[in-house]
Amino acid sequence: NAGVTQTPKFRVLKTGQSMTLLCAQDMNHEYMYWYRQDPGMGLRLIHYSVGEGTTAKGEVPDGYNVSRLKKQNFLLGLESAAPSQTSVYFCASSGTSGLPPIVGELFFGEGSRLTVL
Amino acid sequence: KQEVTQIPAALSVPEGENLVLNCSFTDSAIYNLQWFRQDPGKGLTSLLLIQSSQREQTSGRLNASLDKSSGRSTLYIAASQPGDSATYLCAAKLIFGTGTRLQVFP
Repeated sequence: NAGVTQTPKFRVLKTGQSMTLLCAQDMNHEYMYWYRQDPGMGLRLIHYSVGEGTTAKGEVPDGYNVSRLKKQNFLLGLESAAPSQTSVYFCASSGTSGLPPIVGELFFGEGSRLTVL
Repeated sequence: KQEVTQIPAALSVPEGENLVLNCSFTDSAIYNLQWFRQDPGKGLTSLLLIQSSQREQTSGRLNASLDKSSGRSTLYIAASQPGDSATYLCAAKLIFGTGTRLQVFP
């Protein structure tokens, strides 16, 4: 049982380049999230998804796009990378319970370290 | 908007001490609160999830309490060990605190 898997783990980009981070979970979770972690800022929610085909903005969505074409995958895209997007990116997933659904325990991947030069 | 604060930001203690980490949140309309551990360069490992209907949750030497009305949670670590050295984070309604960096020295 792999849990939450992120690829790639490391990436270096030049300003203006584009890239996609892939997150895959094998726990059949409905909800998936992308966070970024910066020194002194903690983890900040970028985008999240409450199910296949849905996405929503978090705290810091600007400069990022996401897609959830399959339940197990959540993609984070940078169309034109900027140095301010140098960060460690974490994907997480969670199940739900009850109606209306309550977010359950969060499970995180190991992170993807992105450097934009 | 939910805001989560963790105090202290850093803590250094000798091995064997019992210690308390604090987490406060501004929006008390939470369904649960979760504590994590993060080792340098690693992802977040879930330690405890406390439901809003619970007051405490225990796992081994760890005990987490939750007081929704006052917007506070504490993580109690008994008989600390050097292997407990890490950053501890709490999260409420998907919002994280900036963590407490714990160092336990022999």
